[in-house]
Amino acid sequence: NAGVTQTPKFQVLKTGQSMTLQCAQDMNHEYMSWYRQDPGMGLRLIHYSVGAGITDQGEVPNGYNVSRSTTEDFPLRLLSAAPSQTSVYFCASSQPPAYTGDQETQYFGPGTRLLVL
Amino acid sequence: TQLLEQSPQFLSIQEGENLTVYCNSSSVFSSLQWYRQEPGEGPVLLVTVVTGGEVKKLKRLTFQFGDARKDSSLHITAAQPGDTGLYLCAGVLNYQLIWGAGTKLIIKP
Repeated sequence: NAGVTQTPKFQVLKTGQSMTLQCAQDMNHEYMSWYRQDPGMGLRLIHYSVGAGITDQGEVPNGYNVSRSTTEDFPLRLLSAAPSQTSVYFCASSQPPAYTGDQETQYFGPGTRLLVL
Repeated sequence: TQLLEQSPQFLSIQEGENLTVYCNSSSVFSSLQWYRQEPGEGPVLLVTVVTGGEVKKLKRLTFQFGDARKDSSLHITAAQPGDTGLYLCAGVLNYQLIWGAGTKLIIKP
């Protein structure tokens, strides 16, 4: 199993450009999430999905879109990049029930480091 | 305002010393997870604590969940350079994960 994979690992964008961050998992997990990590702020949830065809907003969804057409893939789209979106982005997956405290684990990808100029 | 406060934010100590990292909140969590993150990688789960007062040990790491399930601590005994990393706590609240900002730990040989 490759686990959770993310591409690209690093990207530089100009303000106003759009791009898609790719995320894939081969563990047949139902739950997938996108986080951004900024210094001193921990992980903040952008969007999440509880299954194919179902997505919902997290804490900081503005400026980002997601879709979940398959169980394996959960791409994150930046519609018009802004310098405030400079961050490290992590995709995570887990099996339900993800949040019942019964040892269910979120598996994280290696991250995409995004710089918006 | 951070719902889950981690302290200290940064800790640099010598190999062999002991240390404790704290995770505090005014909210009651159904469970709490501790993750470790190394540079250039995603967080990896270390442990989940569920019951108030629960203590779990992972080799030299001891995790404790407060009696009221509002706080947790991570104690490392005889720290080694391999313990270096960012330690994150995450509490489960209303089926959402609430993350602390992390403690950056450096163990000097």
